[in-house]
Amino acid sequence: EAQVTQNPRYLITVTGKKLTVTCSQNMNHEYMSWYRQDPGLGLRQIYYSMNVEVTDKGDVPEGYKVSRKEKRNFPLILESPSPNQTSLYFCASRLGGEQFFGPGTRLTVL
Amino acid sequence: KQEVTQIPAALSVPEGENLVLNCSFTDSAIYNLQWFRQDPGKGLTSLLLIQSSQREQTSGRLNASLDKSSGRSTLYIAASQPGDSATYLCAVRPGGMKTSYDKVIFGPGTSLSVIP
Repeated sequence: EAQVTQNPRYLITVTGKKLTVTCSQNMNHEYMSWYRQDPGLGLRQIYYSMNVEVTDKGDVPEGYKVSRKEKRNFPLILESPSPNQTSLYFCASRLGGEQFFGPGTRLTVL
Repeated sequence: KQEVTQIPAALSVPEGENLVLNCSFTDSAIYNLQWFRQDPGKGLTSLLLIQSSQREQTSGRLNASLDKSSGRSTLYIAASQPGDSATYLCAVRPGGMKTSYDKVIFGPGTSLSVIP
């Protein structure tokens, strides 16, 4: 089944403890993105990747890192999480114009 | 700067009614526009994608139109059902940018409730 998967789906952590949210797609898509969704602010793009080893900042990249060492994987790294990074995170991949989204990761930073 | 708005923010209709959701964008230079549905606490499901050269797309009871010159898209849902209750989001991919740029701008969404 063609899909985008994210892990973990739910995570509660404490300020400053490094974490990684994984994202994987099995559709051989070149484009991948990370978004965060917050009440009243909607979906905002954090980072995107055009292909292996090619990444660039979206609208809200501060406090996040990404890497794209393989085509299928696009992990989101929070080196030192803070409470303002509590949010619902989505990974997406794209073929042509159509985006496909993962199920989301709900992150709480205490 | 491209901005995307959606009206209304929330809509409640009785089952069986036809309805229209609106999406507006400020810059007509777009590559495409995509409509999504999001169920509470869940991911986004793609409904329809309209390329900039197209005027409309249809899938089952859904029809999406695009008028770039006026900066508007509408999502028409025919014969609404309780299962259509969800938040509907539109997303615009701006045009006129370098090919290495992959920006997508989402609207805030319309929360739809279909009452049995």
